[in-house]
Amino acid sequence: EVQLVQSGAEVKKPGESLKISCQGPGSNFATSWIGWVRQMPGKGLEWMGTIYPGDSHTTYSPSFEGQVTISADKTISTAYLQWSSLKASDSAMYYCARHSFDASGFPFDHWGQGTLVTVSS
Amino acid sequence: EIVLTQSPATLSLSPGERATLSCRASQTVNSYLAWYQQKPGQAPRLLIYGASSRAAGIPARFSGSGSGTDFTLTISSLEPEDFAVYYCHHRYKWPPKSLTFGGGTRVEIK
Repeated sequence: EVQLVQSGAEVKKPGESLKISCQGPGSNFATSWIGWVRQMPGKGLEWMGTIYPGDSHTTYSPSFEGQVTISADKTISTAYLQWSSLKASDSAMYYCARHSFDASGFPFDHWGQGTLVTVSS
Repeated sequence: EIVLTQSPATLSLSPGERATLSCRASQTVNSYLAWYQQKPGQAPRLLIYGASSRAAGIPARFSGSGSGTDFTLTISSLEPEDFAVYYCHHRYKWPPKSLTFGGGTRVEIK
């Protein structure tokens, strides 16, 4: 069973920086593709971007490119999502999820538990 | 960008009834259409991929169908644990250039 474990909830002020993490099992993390998904309060799911930890190749949704940075450290089987200057509108639940290469279309077959980010002055 | 429109927004049904959820794409898509279930306070769970294949451990009462622009998730007989929000999802190209979710359908107890 693949388990993605995300870092804990964060409370930040506007303008602050933040980096949240998603750790997977070491055995094949470097050869997995990990996506980040945002869910604003009471709203639906939005794909932010996907990274291949093996070489850190990253693709971003146009809606999020330039707004966040996705990175990874394959040596510790961890992917990251970071902001340099948070806004109140960044308050949301953030999920990491693994793309399945065993399923047509490479859907997200395993999800982290989510990290709740609250940005408030 | 492909837009996925789900209908209805809310479906009010009783346990044992059949649920039919629709997902319509703004243009013809390949079969890379998936469905997820999300319960309150939980992460989404993959139900269906490739438009009609059930993910591991998903009960047979869940089925997916469709092609082109119109896709359907059917729950043949609702169990109490099936009342949740359902999202369709499409991925365009690999590595993903565009990956979209529908707005969701809430299946609630009538």
